[in-house]
Amino acid sequence: KAGVTQTPRYLIKTRGQQVTLSCSPISGHRSVSWYQQTPGQGLQFLFEYFSETQRNKGNFPGRFSGRQFSNSRSEMNVSTLELGDSALYLCASSNEGTGRKWRGYTFGSGTRLTVV
Amino acid sequence: DAKTTQPNSMESNEEEPVHLPCNHSTISGTDYIHWYRQLPSQGPEYVIHGLTSNVNNRMASLAIAEDRKSSTLILHRATLRDAAVYYCIPRSGNTPLVFGKGTRLSVIA
Repeated sequence: KAGVTQTPRYLIKTRGQQVTLSCSPISGHRSVSWYQQTPGQGLQFLFEYFSETQRNKGNFPGRFSGRQFSNSRSEMNVSTLELGDSALYLCASSNEGTGRKWRGYTFGSGTRLTVV
Repeated sequence: DAKTTQPNSMESNEEEPVHLPCNHSTISGTDYIHWYRQLPSQGPEYVIHGLTSNVNNRMASLAIAEDRKSSTLILHRATLRDAAVYYCIPRSGNTPLVFGKGTRLSVIA
């Protein structure tokens, strides 16, 4: 079956611009989480959505936002980009709340964002 | 969040068993212990999770200490494909996964 799909794979943006990243979870998964990975800070949790509602939020500034659609697809947006936002952004989905045996989070391959 | 301590790195010979330790002395009674790994240039991958008893699946075994303050992920026969960073993550309910620095496992042919 198809895994978690993130688009685009690579992105180069200029400081001050905004960016939208997309994540399509595994079919039937209702939980989608976003993470930022940098060499210095490692994997940091951004936010999680479950059935279109934000369930958890990490410690990131308000420039980082997200949403989830009725088909469980999710987008995250970063406004007023800074050089420090350059990172690998990872999306993960899980089958929590579906009544099926939980099989952990499945991560996508990520979107590599470079801010210049 | 429970604090975890893992070795920064470990090395194993191919086809030998590997025991990856994790200390989580502040774990709460409702925290499950999750293990994920991240292969080079990929997103993390779920390995296994457990609460109190030892757990086995096709990828690995998880041995949990009786007092739950530590656990060990066991790869029965390491392959080159098992070279990755391994993360031990206590997690309760629907709280997010909080990744630490993990253990970088190198496998030598």
